[in-house]
This record gives sequence, C-alpha cells and structure tokens, in this order.
Amino acid sequence: DAGVIQSPRHEVTEMGQEVTLRCKPISGHNSLFWYRQTMMRGLELLIYFNNNVPIDDSGMPEDRFSAKMPNASFSTLKIQPSEPRDSAVYFCASSTPTSLEQYFGPGTRLTVT
Amino acid sequence: DQQVKQNSPSLSVQEGRISILNCDYTNSMFDYFLWYKKYPAEGPTFLISISSIKDKNEDGRFTVFLNKSAKHLSLHIVPSQPGDSAVYFCAASDAGRRALTFGSGTRLQVQP
Repeated sequence: DAGVIQSPRHEVTEMGQEVTLRCKPISGHNSLFWYRQTMMRGLELLIYFNNNVPIDDSGMPEDRFSAKMPNASFSTLKIQPSEPRDSAVYFCASSTPTSLEQYFGPGTRLTVT
Repeated sequence: DQQVKQNSPSLSVQEGRISILNCDYTNSMFDYFLWYKKYPAEGPTFLISISSIKDKNEDGRFTVFLNKSAKHLSLHIVPSQPGDSAVYFCAASDAGRRALTFGSGTRLQVQP
C-alpha cells in the first residue's frame, strides 16, 4: 500500500496568495484528518472528516482556511489569503472505520513570505 | 490548556539500556492512548497503543504502561537502539471524538 500521499511536499508563496494542499488517504480508510505542526503549538488538529463529511472543524484557525473532501480518495486544505503566520508543516492522516490508529502522510512544509 | 503533556523535551540513553518516555494527561474522558515516532522530514509513525481498560501493552521492544488514577502513561523501549533516535509523541483520544490530542514530544537520542 502506498500510504497517505500529500502534495506538494514543499510550498513557498507570498503573503496574500492562495495555497492548496492535497491529500490522498489510504484506500479503505473512511476517516481523514488535517493537522498542523508549529514550534509554538505543536501538532494540532485542524479538521476531520468521516465518510467525506466534515465532523469537527473547531481547530480551523479562521475563515481563511477551508477544507473539502469531494470523494473518499481526495481532500484539499485551502488557505486564502495566506499570511506569514500560516507557515508550518501540514499533515494529513487517515484511519479505518474500526480503529483509532491514524496513519500520517509525509507532510507539506508551507512557507509564506 | 494542554490536555496531554510531555514534560521532558529530550532524553539521552546509551545503546542497549532502557528508554522511558513519560506522558501525563488531564482530560478524564480520554480512553485510548497512542505513541508515535517521528523522524525529521517525515510524518509521525504509529508505534503502539493502549486502551483505558488495560494497564499494559507490549509489542516487541516497546511496552506502554497506563496508570489511570495518576493520569499517566509511559513508553519503555528495551533494549534501546541508535535507530530509535527520533521524536516521540504521546496522543490521546476519547470515544466520542476520533481526533487525537498530541503532547509536545520528547526527543530521544540513543548513543552508540
């Protein structure tokens, strides 16, 4: 199995630009999670989906952030407009219906200048 | 308010000795606990987990102990190997919410 796939691995953009991060979960996993890792706040949940439906988006920092899961094999996290404080590593993870163990992708390192 | 705390940011042990990583939590609703290992430039990798109905779970060189009354868990690695050098995260979940709450991590360095 290929594992969770994220793209791009690195993204450098200027303040004010739109950024889209992509994730393909492991086949057969019905839960998908977006996390952000920063030095100040560590690993924190942004949003998670169950069967393509957003369940908990309480971690989404503000309206500039949005996430979608149009089908079971694809999700996006969009930041518009981006700001320097959004610089972080963004991880996507997925899990099966019967397990709480989550499997993480390699992350996308976002730098907003 | 940190619900999962790893108070030791780093730990150094000699190869072959035991590594003990600690984690405390404050939310009594947590009922499932996990340990993840993370190498630089990679995502966290699941290591071992334990349900709140148990007090110990073992998998090869890795053992997790849970003390519910103290709201404390620990990960024991015996024997430690240089390849175990990584950042270890403790995470917790409650039954009603599948998302994980992570600690801040402990960087383990195993000296050859």
